[in-house]
Amino acid sequence: EIVLTQSPATLSLSPGERATLSCRASQSVSSSLAWYQQKPGQSPRLLIYGASNRATGIPARFSGSGSGTDFTLTISSLEPEDFAVYYCQQRSNWPTFGPGTKVEVK
Amino acid sequence: QVQLQESGPGVVKPSETLSLICTVSGDSISTYYWNWMRLPPGKGLEWIGSIYDKRDTSYNPSLNGRITISIDTSRNQFSLNLNSVTAADSAVYYCARLHYYDAGDGFDIWGQGTLVTVSS
Repeated sequence: EIVLTQSPATLSLSPGERATLSCRASQSVSSSLAWYQQKPGQSPRLLIYGASNRATGIPARFSGSGSGTDFTLTISSLEPEDFAVYYCQQRSNWPTFGPGTKVEVK
Repeated sequence: QVQLQESGPGVVKPSETLSLICTVSGDSISTYYWNWMRLPPGKGLEWIGSIYDKRDTSYNPSLNGRITISIDTSRNQFSLNLNSVTAADSAVYYCARLHYYDAGDGFDIWGQGTLVTVSS
């Protein structure tokens, strides 16, 4: 099983600030990594696929980078609606998710 | 617009079988991989399994053979059976579509989720 770890567990920031979220895989997943946003009471929303490609309708302030074992999700300038939990997910063997990073209002 | 809707009982007794259905509207169920995920309270997302066109299923090995996923193309539905449930199976269960893009893939459409509690 490929284990994903995310850091930090919680990120306390203010609107307008830049958010940098990390995801590390226990072995290489090439570029087979996606990012999701989940708000309380809602389903997860696909943000990024293939490590760096924005899904349909996702604002340009969201960007993904990385390959192999180290990946980053960057939100260039936080909007009020961006405060949520973010999960990374790989599908090299069977799909696994990271434990999530909560982006909260400072 | 593609929509997914989970349905099934909200409470299941320990040792019994959890059964859920996902109804797909706005798309043919024969053209994608369809998945079940769950979110236990206080924990992260877990992939349960997937199905493609009746014959191609894949399951999470950590669930120790307790899963069966099937598809009914005439009703545009797919279903999940998880047997011998315990309290650890209490979670919000989601169905989701796996979409293949040129440069990767992702679960792009999700149901709203349904809470299942295992309790006597």
